[in-house]
Amino acid sequence: DIQMTQSPSTLSASVGDRVTITCRASQSISSWLAWYQQKPGKAPKLLIYKASSLKSGVPSRFSGSGSGTEFTLTISSLQPDDFATYYCQQYSTHSSFGQGTKVEIK
Amino acid sequence: QVQLVQSGAEVKKPGASVMVSCKASGYSFATYYIHWVRQAPGQGLEWMGMINPNGGYTSYAQKFQGRVTMTRDTSTSTVYMELSSLRSDDTAVYYCARDARQLVEVYYFDFWGQGTLVTVSS
Repeated sequence: DIQMTQSPSTLSASVGDRVTITCRASQSISSWLAWYQQKPGKAPKLLIYKASSLKSGVPSRFSGSGSGTEFTLTISSLQPDDFATYYCQQYSTHSSFGQGTKVEIK
Repeated sequence: QVQLVQSGAEVKKPGASVMVSCKASGYSFATYYIHWVRQAPGQGLEWMGMINPNGGYTSYAQKFQGRVTMTRDTSTSTVYMELSSLRSDDTAVYYCARDARQLVEVYYFDFWGQGTLVTVSS
């Protein structure tokens, strides 16, 4: 099984900050990586797929990069609606998720 | 608009089985795989398996092999997930989610159900 590790687990930031979340895979997954946003009590929402492709309708302040085993999700200017938990997901071999990164208000 | 509507919360005793349904609408049911993902309280997401509504082919995560069964009813555009031999650590919110690509499984998900809380307690 492919293990996904996110860092940090929690991130404190302010509105307007640039935020970066890292996701590492236990083996190469090429670019088969997605990012989701989840708010309390709600289902996850797809933000990015194939490491850097933005889902239609997702604000352009979200971006993804990386390939192989190391990936990042960047929010260029944090907005009030962005305080949430973010998960990376590999889909190179079936599917597995990182443990999540909670972005909280500083 | 695409919608996945799941059945309501369940409370089960250890050793019992639970069946959760997921009714799809707003798209061609048979052309997108459906996956099941669960989330224990305060924990991350865990992929359980998937079903091809066209033909019923299934693929399950190794962890759940022998305990999970996914089926579908094309007449009602509904997918079912049954988990047996329940334990307390099966307490979780169970989500169905639509595969993002039509006619082929890519294993990332563009639409999700609202989630179904399954509580396992004696």
